[in-house]
Amino acid sequence: LAKTTQPISMDSYEGQEVNITCSHNNIATNDYITWYQQFPSQGPRFIIQGYKTKVTNEVASLFIPADRKSSTLSLPRVSLSDTAVYYCLVGVDTGFQKLVFGTGTRLLVSP
Amino acid sequence: GAVVSQHPSRVICKSGTSVKIECRSLDFQATTMFWYRQFPKQSLMLMATSNEGSKATYEQGVEKDKFLINHASLTLSTLTVTSAHPEDSSFYICSARDLGGAGGPDTQYFGPGTRLTVL
Repeated sequence: LAKTTQPISMDSYEGQEVNITCSHNNIATNDYITWYQQFPSQGPRFIIQGYKTKVTNEVASLFIPADRKSSTLSLPRVSLSDTAVYYCLVGVDTGFQKLVFGTGTRLLVSP
Repeated sequence: GAVVSQHPSRVICKSGTSVKIECRSLDFQATTMFWYRQFPKQSLMLMATSNEGSKATYEQGVEKDKFLINHASLTLSTLTVTSAHPEDSSFYICSARDLGGAGGPDTQYFGPGTRLTVL
């Protein structure tokens, strides 16, 4: 299982773009990268998933360089409600998939 | 996206009693579900993997006789905390694996969690 490393915390202000980078040096060929968001006393919510280059949805963008040893979650124009913990995980796309959560990044958005 | 529900959302029980938590995948079938535990200000810790029709696989350090898991159907897994004690008080979260279609990756979707408080 690929281990991930993220900053423990980040601070931002409303309206700014936030980029959270995750390192996964031991990512395997079949691994996908998935990001989750978790609010206090709630289960993690799926944000975005990708394998390479760039993926964009209505919530965020995910940038993955060619070597795939890191990835960056980009949240455009954050609001106060984006204050949460963000987890980066990697795992295989088929077969038995066991996710191991790291510490996550605690994002605090201020007015 | 796929929806996973949990019931109850919170439960308070006396020490020594057993508590059952249900996890359901509402709009997809899940042959594999996972149970996590999360203490305040900490990350999720995987407890066990629940496989439909077979025995659960427990992570190291998790007592299988204390945390009974049953995955009787493709949409339901249950976690029973037997003889609960105050140290079992925690936030329990389940997830279900939605197999990717048309060559896409599969993804885990999480339930809203169950807050267990043992007095």
